[in-house]
Amino acid sequence: QKEVEQNSGPLSVPEGAIASLNCTYSDRVSQSFFWYRQYSGKSPELIMSIYSNGDKEDGRFTAQLNKASQYVSLLIRDSQPSDSATYLCAVNENYGQNFVFGPGTRLSVLP
Amino acid sequence: EPEVTQTPSHQVTQMGQEVILRCVPISNHLYFYWYRQILGQKVEFLVSFYNNEISEKSEIFDDQFSVERPDGSNFTLKIRSTKLEDSAMYFCASRGQNHPSSGNTIYFGEGSWLTVV
Repeated sequence: QKEVEQNSGPLSVPEGAIASLNCTYSDRVSQSFFWYRQYSGKSPELIMSIYSNGDKEDGRFTAQLNKASQYVSLLIRDSQPSDSATYLCAVNENYGQNFVFGPGTRLSVLP
Repeated sequence: EPEVTQTPSHQVTQMGQEVILRCVPISNHLYFYWYRQILGQKVEFLVSFYNNEISEKSEIFDDQFSVERPDGSNFTLKIRSTKLEDSAMYFCASRGQNHPSSGNTIYFGEGSWLTVV
């Protein structure tokens, strides 16, 4: 059974701070990793994907992957109130069909 | 920008009735998915569809569920005899070629909210 774990939160950070979101996964053959943002009542929207160990930066977002530790994280720099949402970690086995989602971490950025 | 479209956005149905949720995936995509999310819970995989057949399905996707791609563009999810616990947001998703470094991302539609009463 493939599992993806996240702290449910809520994670509260002040505006302008760095928010750090973490995700662990159980399936060692997983190859593709994704962070989605979901506002209440809306569909998940892709923030970033990462496939190789290390860091990947895109604007205020940095994804970090450590396959040996089966760990992927998302850093949000200069957090804004509009970043307040649930962040979903998703994992895909290479060439597999299924994307497994974690339960999500609710982030609250306080003005 | 291409997007996945879903209809209806919201449907209320009586228990035991059949429901069909419709999706138009992104046009050049090859893999199609249905996920559901019960209010306040995680996004759960239901089924994936490739090359006109089901490629993988979860335990949730039992005999009351079926999928179809009737005309090469629409992708439908049918629930034959709805139960109260089927009330959820149903998301359709699609993705393109299977390329781990660039094309292995799924894109979601806005969802169909199903309420069974």
